[in-house]
Amino acid sequence: GAVVSQHPSWVICKSGTSVKIECRSLDFQATTMFWYRQFPKQSLMLMATSNEGSKATYEQGVEKDKFLINHASLTLSTLTVTSAHPEDSSFYICSARDYLLDGETDSYNEQFFGPGTRLTVL
Amino acid sequence: KNEVEQSPQNLTAQEGEFITINCSYSVGISALHWLQQHPGGGIVSLFMLSSGKKKHGRLIATINIQEKHSSLHITASHPRDSAVYICAVFVRGNYGGSQGNLIFGKGTKLSVKP
Repeated sequence: GAVVSQHPSWVICKSGTSVKIECRSLDFQATTMFWYRQFPKQSLMLMATSNEGSKATYEQGVEKDKFLINHASLTLSTLTVTSAHPEDSSFYICSARDYLLDGETDSYNEQFFGPGTRLTVL
Repeated sequence: KNEVEQSPQNLTAQEGEFITINCSYSVGISALHWLQQHPGGGIVSLFMLSSGKKKHGRLIATINIQEKHSSLHITASHPRDSAVYICAVFVRGNYGGSQGNLIFGKGTKLSVKP
């Protein structure tokens, strides 16, 4: 299957600092990537959909000025948590779809998940 | 009520036992994922299916679209199968095609004892 990587795998930062998380599709190109957040013992919650070359689409309740998303190429999306606070501590997971299969009518284009980034804000 | 319900929430089994995890959903879907999440957090897609049954090694996944239900079976379970198993359904967006979102269940935590 296709491979999605994330970097870093874990990060500890001080309150008020900004943290950037990278998501890369390693063996395919992705016009669409997804950013999820998972709190302990909870489901994955979609934060935003990252669209290559255009603005991200944020889910209701997610602050776009706090969670900056950049999808500058077909293989890289970044999530920057700005002015991080302890309540932002969570597990952040990205996923991606192969763009070559996007747009086919009536077909679901499988999403591939990254290994996640555990963020701890002190 | 959640759109995707999994049962049981927690499951403890002895090595070698046959395991079944269930997933029920209340929305119309295009496809369903079974995902595995190990304690480190990374997620692996086990199956993606939209009808019938799929088998991979000791894992079997079935789906009944009419009944809006899917099951994941593990035969001859092993301690390395211990993980959280997540059911996720793909709900097509308003514009159809391949656009839409995944909706996740809360997961079933499986512990297989040696």
